[in-house]
Amino acid sequence: EDKVVQSPLSLVVHEGDTVTLNCSYEVTNFRSLLWYKQEKKAPTFLFMLTSSGIEKKSGRLSSILDKKELSSILNITATQTGDSAIYLCAVEGTGANNLFFGTGTRLTVIP
Amino acid sequence: NAGVTQTPKFQVLKTGQSMTLQCAQDMNHEYMSWYRQDPGMGLRLIHYSVGAGITDQGEVPNGYNVSRSTTEDFPLRLLSAAPSQTSVYFCASSYSRAGTDTQYFGPGTRLTVL
Repeated sequence: EDKVVQSPLSLVVHEGDTVTLNCSYEVTNFRSLLWYKQEKKAPTFLFMLTSSGIEKKSGRLSSILDKKELSSILNITATQTGDSAIYLCAVEGTGANNLFFGTGTRLTVIP
Repeated sequence: NAGVTQTPKFQVLKTGQSMTLQCAQDMNHEYMSWYRQDPGMGLRLIHYSVGAGITDQGEVPNGYNVSRSTTEDFPLRLLSAAPSQTSVYFCASSYSRAGTDTQYFGPGTRLTVL
């Protein structure tokens, strides 16, 4: 059964801290891994990682895919209160449009 | 562009009632999906469509029907609502496969079944 597991489930840090969020997966016919940020409502896309693009960076956020370990990390440096959100990891497997999501990591950044 | 729109925002149903959740996008996206989000369960794919006239089942399709008569619209029908279908429902669309392209989510519909 396809599965995506995220850890930790929740995390509380102070502004300025660096955090690392983890995502591991067991998915048949892995094609890509995606990270989303969900604040109050709908998830918004952050990164997509594939076999040909295993590291992505945007500002203070960066992500790496480890295909050997079947996992990915999302790093956020110099955290700000605006980074408080649920971070979702999703993996694309078999099927025309099939994404499997993890349960998410709830990050809270306190001033 | 309005992006992905969903109606209604909130809905309360009684067990056994049927209803349709509406989803529309104005970005000319071929790929559309319906997800449900439950506490501790993450997002789970209900049904998806890769173009007008083509739909397929996701991870949790039971109790739901979809159709895709136009590129813009992808309604989700609950045939006979059950309390287990209490959830937040998100519609999403993308130009190509969700795993290869940015997927845009609607604002969600919070459904409660009593």
